[in-house]
Amino acid sequence: DGGITQSPKYLFRKEGQNVTLSCEQNLNHDAMYWYRQDPGQGLRLIYYSQIVNDFQKGDIAEGYSVSREKKESFPLTVTSAQKNPTAFYLCASSPRTLWGEKLFFGSGTQLSVL
Amino acid sequence: GQQVMQIPQYQHVQEGEDFTTYCNSSTTLSNIQWYKQRPGGHPVFLIQLVKSGEVKKQKRLTFQFGEAKKNSSLHITATQTTDVGTYFCAGGIQGAQKLVFGQGTRLTINP
Repeated sequence: DGGITQSPKYLFRKEGQNVTLSCEQNLNHDAMYWYRQDPGQGLRLIYYSQIVNDFQKGDIAEGYSVSREKKESFPLTVTSAQKNPTAFYLCASSPRTLWGEKLFFGSGTQLSVL
Repeated sequence: GQQVMQIPQYQHVQEGEDFTTYCNSSTTLSNIQWYKQRPGGHPVFLIQLVKSGEVKKQKRLTFQFGEAKKNSSLHITATQTTDVGTYFCAGGIQGAQKLVFGQGTRLTINP
């Protein structure tokens, strides 16, 4: 099956803890993205990567970090500096980072704070 | 900042009724995309519009892009229970290399 795999589906974070969300794609897409979804709001861009070993901040990057060591993988770390981390996190990819290309989304990770 | 406003936030209809959601931008858009997210699911791409005044149809769904490329609409004719979900528009901001999502319209249907 081709697509984007996010894990885990549910994640709980304790105060002061960093947690990492996994995103893997086998679509051979160059571009990958992380979005945050809160109830009643649209998707907000956290980080994106156009190519291996390069990534750019989105609109709400504070308190988050990413890496892109492999084309297939784009993990997101929610650090303790993110004071309101409870949200649904969506990973996406597209063949290239042209904003006229459609996004393919993973099934998401629901992060909650204990 | 650049915003794409989407209305209404919620819409409840009887099965068989029509449904429309609207997106408006304060700036000219290079393109607009529409996504559907089923309850508990993830957004799935429906369509992209690029040209001024463009109209595209997918079965019971009709998508329009305004002449000024600042607004768009999605119209569903004769809704079915399978249409339930949240519909998002996402506008490409000209010159900003950016895709901005609207807040979404959540559609519920009474069978």
